Amino acid sequence: DAGITQSPRHKVTETGTPVTLRCHQTENHRYMYWYRQDPGHGLRLIHYSYGVKDTDKGEVSDGYSVSRSKTEDFLLTLESATSSQTSVYFCAISLGGGLSSGANVLTFGAGSRLTVL
Amino acid sequence: GDSVTQMEGPVTLSEEAFLTINCTYTATGYPSLFWYVQYPGEGLQLLLKATKADDKGSNKGFEATYRKETTSFHLEKGSVQVSDSAVYFCALSSNTGNQFYFGTGTSLTVIP
Repeated sequence: DAGITQSPRHKVTETGTPVTLRCHQTENHRYMYWYRQDPGHGLRLIHYSYGVKDTDKGEVSDGYSVSRSKTEDFLLTLESATSSQTSVYFCAISLGGGLSSGANVLTFGAGSRLTVL
Repeated sequence: GDSVTQMEGPVTLSEEAFLTINCTYTATGYPSLFWYVQYPGEGLQLLLKATKADDKGSNKGFEATYRKETTSFHLEKGSVQVSDSAVYFCALSSNTGNQFYFGTGTSLTVIP
């Protein structure tokens, strides 16, 4: 996926351990998002960022925190992983700027599959 | 709040059949509408989009028309191929353009 790299791509961990997923972009897009994908739920927004150190919660933010210290990097942290956080996590980016700049489009990374045992 | 409802799957079609996947939305103001496609093991890719009422988005033989009167954005293709087998997501972006909402996805399998 052009310009977006997620790491790790696969991770297995145990309940109670901390986990950090990284999203790196080379597109200089202002907005970055973390979604989780689960069967029957589609994609649900966890957190998003609208600039360096500017973040906000999505609909399923409990148990997750994020940080964005540079434009290109957006980290998702599970402070103490639980089995309910087993999922596929997708990072996405968009230019931002509102509808006046034309329809913003989300571009997705390849995903990070997390299994919490 | 804003939301998207799309047709439950899975959908199984024979090659060259006609495809329709229904999508309706609830939104304030004038959202933009999207269809994304996800192939196995991959992230989502933009398939097509429409930014205002009566716009038709099209790509790779797929089409969808932004119908404000019925709050719908149904995906259609006249003749599906095996390579179209994937999960399709309807989505909208909010009035500000920076919040996105997705449907639950519709899995399509095309058999030869």
